[in-house]
Order: sequence, then C-alpha cells, then structure tokens
Amino acid sequence: DAKTTQPPSMDCAEGRAANLPCNHSTISGNEYVYWYRQIHSQGPQYIIHGLKNNETNEMASLIITEDRKSSTLILPHATLRDTAVYYCIVSVRGTSYGKLTFGQGTILTVHP
Amino acid sequence: SQTIHQWPATLVQPVGSPLSLECTVEGTSNPNLYWYRQAAGRGLQLLFYSVGIGQISSEVPQNLSASRPQDRQFILSSKKLLLSDSGFYLCAWSSRGSGANVLTFGAGSRLTVL
Repeated sequence: DAKTTQPPSMDCAEGRAANLPCNHSTISGNEYVYWYRQIHSQGPQYIIHGLKNNETNEMASLIITEDRKSSTLILPHATLRDTAVYYCIVSVRGTSYGKLTFGQGTILTVHP
Repeated sequence: SQTIHQWPATLVQPVGSPLSLECTVEGTSNPNLYWYRQAAGRGLQLLFYSVGIGQISSEVPQNLSASRPQDRQFILSSKKLLLSDSGFYLCAWSSRGSGANVLTFGAGSRLTVL
C-alpha cells in the first residue's frame, strides 16, 4: 500500500473549519483514501473514504486532488469533541480482509 | 445494528502470567475480525486477523496467539506475558469485499505488565 504523509499536529478554533491535509504521491490507481480518527483512550473511528471524487457524509468531507496525489479532510464546524488523532490511509478496496497501516497521524486540537 | 464488545477494559498482570482478552461482535455474521496493539505514544500495529472460524493470520512474530472458536468471537492469548506486551489492545471487525477496509473498533483493553 502507498505511504502517506501528514503534519504531526494542527490547531483549529471551535466553530471554524478544520482542514487536514494528506500527501500520498505514490498512490496506485486502485487504491482508495481512508480517514479514521482516534479520540484519546478510545478505539479508532472510521470517518470517510474515496477514490477520486469528492465525498461528503454526516461527519466530514473528503477532497481528493485531480492527480490523486493528495487529499484534504474537512470538518466543516469543528467542536471540542473533534480533538483527536486523524489518520489518513491508502489501501486497495475490495480485498478479502482489511489490512490498514496506521501511521502517526495528525493530532488535531480544537480550542475554544 | 452491529456492536462490538471487548473485555476486560483494563488489567494489570505480572510478568510470566497468562493473558486472555475476549472480543465478541453482535448484529452481523461472518465478519472479518482483527486484533491491533497500540504501545504508548505509538501507532496501531495489526497483530492478527481472521476471515473465518479457526482461520487466523499473524502479522508479526510475537508472544501472543489468537483464536476464533465461534463466528463472532475472537480471543487474544498469551501463556507467559512479557513487559513488552504492555499496551492498548483493540479488537475490530469489518465486512467482506468492498467494506473490508471500513473497520469498527471496540473500546479497547489496556494491559499493564509489571
């Protein structure tokens, strides 16, 4: 699976949009981009995934560049409860089992 | 809806003692099951995964073993714990095919080996 690069930490004011970048310049044509987050002392939580089109769900939006070498996770109105480590992962979809490689992620701190 | 239960939530064990962590999933059948470990200040490491009863794949050599005696039950074990086994253990499940990379994690079991 392709590797990803994320900033180690980011800050965001409560109520503002949080834009978390991810570089995946070696992504293959059949690899999807997945985002998870882990709130302190809890298990990771799936957020969203996409291939090449922008995706949106009740939690976030995912913007993938046209060349697919980078993406941005957008939390439109960040709250204090969004403080967590955010993981960007690329992996082939549709395999018989999930084999996700979690890196160090980005520590997002939302402050009042 | 699907739920995943993991226990115990915390435990403190002496070096050399045995370990058994249990995970069960409700509301789905034939899930993929996973055990991850997170050492202090580090990322998640996949330890084992299972695609069916009695089918266990190990990702890294270690002092631990896993078993899947029933479709929705996954057990992590050790005969003799080492200090390096301390960490946060997470069980997860996913469906097959296109949903295989969408994992739902349990609340975790925090193990301290003294």
